[in-house]
Amino acid sequence: KQEVTQIPAALSVPEGENLVLNCSFTDSAIYNLQWFRQDPGKGLTSLLLIQSSQREQTSGRLNASLDKSSGRSTLYIAASQPGDSATYLCAVRGTRTDSWGKLQFGAGTQVVVTP
Amino acid sequence: NAGVMQNPRHLVRRRGQEARLRCSPMKGHSHVYWYRQLPEEGLKFMVYLQKENIIDESGMPKERFSAEFPKEGPSILRIQQVVRGDSAAYFCASSQRQGLDVNTEAFFGQGTRLTVV
Repeated sequence: KQEVTQIPAALSVPEGENLVLNCSFTDSAIYNLQWFRQDPGKGLTSLLLIQSSQREQTSGRLNASLDKSSGRSTLYIAASQPGDSATYLCAVRGTRTDSWGKLQFGAGTQVVVTP
Repeated sequence: NAGVMQNPRHLVRRRGQEARLRCSPMKGHSHVYWYRQLPEEGLKFMVYLQKENIIDESGMPKERFSAEFPKEGPSILRIQQVVRGDSAAYFCASSQRQGLDVNTEAFFGQGTRLTVV
């Protein structure tokens, strides 16, 4: 059974520092891994999607890496801003028939960037 | 191209009533997924549907919950005889295709926040 873990559960940094968010998963049989942002009381915004054959994806200040064999992904946010304050979720889509189509989510990392 | 549309955004029901949550996927998307986020918990998969078919309902409670995605119209998540424990945010996501295809990115709606009083 796939288990997705995100560490740390919460993180507070001063503005300008780089953020490093970790995600680990127990079953490497995945199609892809997706990072989302969720603001309080809001929906999920997709940030980056990494296919299982890829090592990393970049979008602006965001960079996500994937090491499928070791079951890890890291989301880096450069030069953090107060507007980056949110909960960040990672989710994997598995290839096994009993996980087909599902996204398995971690519990999230709650980030606060202080001015 | 509008995103995934869910309505209502907020829904209040008394115990024992029925709740109907609607989800219109993005244009061109034929795969719909429902997830539930209980207070202080992560998102949990409930059901995966394609047009007129339930593909995987392994996350759906066995009683009172049902889902459909008809040929025409939105996907509906229906909760009969709601109880306080059903209070949660219900999110719908859609994707274009499954399988070894780059277009398997899931896009989420804003959610429906159900409160049972």
